[in-house]
Amino acid sequence: AQTVTQSQPEMSVQEAETVTLSCTYDTSESDYYLFWYKQPPSRQMILVIRQEAYKQQNATENRFSVNFQKAAKSFSLKISDSQLGDAAMYFCAYRSALNSGYALNFGKGTSLLVTP
Amino acid sequence: EAGVTQFPSHSVIEKGQTVTLRCDPISGHDNLYWYRRVMGKEIKFLLHFVKESKQDESGMPNNRFLAERTGGTYSTLKVQPAELEDSGVYFCASSHDRHPGNTIYFGEGSWLTVV
Repeated sequence: AQTVTQSQPEMSVQEAETVTLSCTYDTSESDYYLFWYKQPPSRQMILVIRQEAYKQQNATENRFSVNFQKAAKSFSLKISDSQLGDAAMYFCAYRSALNSGYALNFGKGTSLLVTP
Repeated sequence: EAGVTQFPSHSVIEKGQTVTLRCDPISGHDNLYWYRRVMGKEIKFLLHFVKESKQDESGMPNNRFLAERTGGTYSTLKVQPAELEDSGVYFCASSHDRHPGNTIYFGEGSWLTVV
């Protein structure tokens, strides 16, 4: 089974600054998708950004971008110009494109605190 | 458009009792998933429905857990009898199709505490 590791249980960033959340994964597959999900307190988990393993270009969604290093099996999330609304639990997730199960494999999450 | 809704949001039950969690997926989404997060651990996949059929139930921990999706609309997850280790957050999610790159939409979760 694929494992996803988020080594930072908690991170803190000041408003308007940039923060990077780490994620590594372990897989022997060549085709897969990687996701970052965000769960604000008492709110539903929403998709922030996704990356297909076959695409070399790093995905970007407004202030959110990823650094995808396939050989190193690393998938970090960079949040630029951090805002108070970015405070949330962030989950990195892996999903096989080959296995018919298609279950998401999550990391333990990183709690992001944004300070004024 | 309504998102994935789950009920109850919080539940506290005694060991040995039964709890039933309900999930209403986004209208038109044939794929429905259940996940669980035990405190301090990863969110783990439980099972996947396509319409009313169980596509993958490899993550169900044991036979005390029963999931149903009669008619292919809402789903229930019953835990009977509940044990202390069943405490956690149960997430329901849905998607329009099974393409692995597509967005899976999550509910807010049902918090279960077994005492």
